[in-house]
Amino acid sequence: DSGVTQTPKHLITATGQRVTLRCSPRSGDLSVYWYQQSLDQGLQFLIQYYNGEERAKGNILERFSAQQFPDLHSELNLSSLELGDSALYFCASSVGGGTSYEQYFGPGTRLTVT
Amino acid sequence: TQLLEQSPQFLSIQEGENLTVYCNSSSVFSSLQWYRQEPGEGPVLLVTVVTGGEVKKLKRLTFQFGDARKDSSLHITAAQPGDTGLYLCAGGGTGNQFYFGTGTSLTVIP
Repeated sequence: DSGVTQTPKHLITATGQRVTLRCSPRSGDLSVYWYQQSLDQGLQFLIQYYNGEERAKGNILERFSAQQFPDLHSELNLSSLELGDSALYFCASSVGGGTSYEQYFGPGTRLTVT
Repeated sequence: TQLLEQSPQFLSIQEGENLTVYCNSSSVFSSLQWYRQEPGEGPVLLVTVVTGGEVKKLKRLTFQFGDARKDSSLHITAAQPGDTGLYLCAGGGTGNQFYFGTGTSLTVIP
């Protein structure tokens, strides 16, 4: 158990819908990362927040957005869903905001878009 | 984008054999991490290396960061079925983000 929690574990929805994925970082960690993992793309970095502010942006679509709240939990919002958005979505947390800090991953949310 | 290529992509070996997984890039990374991931679960951090030429040993696993900080290797001695999983390298690069490798799927046959 990494100490990072993600909900829900599984999510099945239809194309065009909107969903919200939630992540609670390890106690004491200020940074949250979101990743998408699919069979053909591997593990892709989406976005990072540090202490409530956006720190880095990766291959995140405009239909996707995220935020980190004052209690440090984070939410990833996916809208106008397409079949290709079906994937595992992981959240990771670390103490600091730089890449010298170790990341700890949550168990993931499996999103299926039908 | 800073790409990390892992080789081999798939590896199936007998219990007790040794193996090496490679992680290569043309880019320089500030740090390099190795993870193991099991199906349906999140990656689990194995090690972080930050200094060029650094070697770290964890029981039967040996990790090395290249002198130029562009590549890394993971060597497993006397592999066991419990080592089965997807091995991922990740480099700390520009833009304050991690770039993950393409992955090596290891199967250790009892």
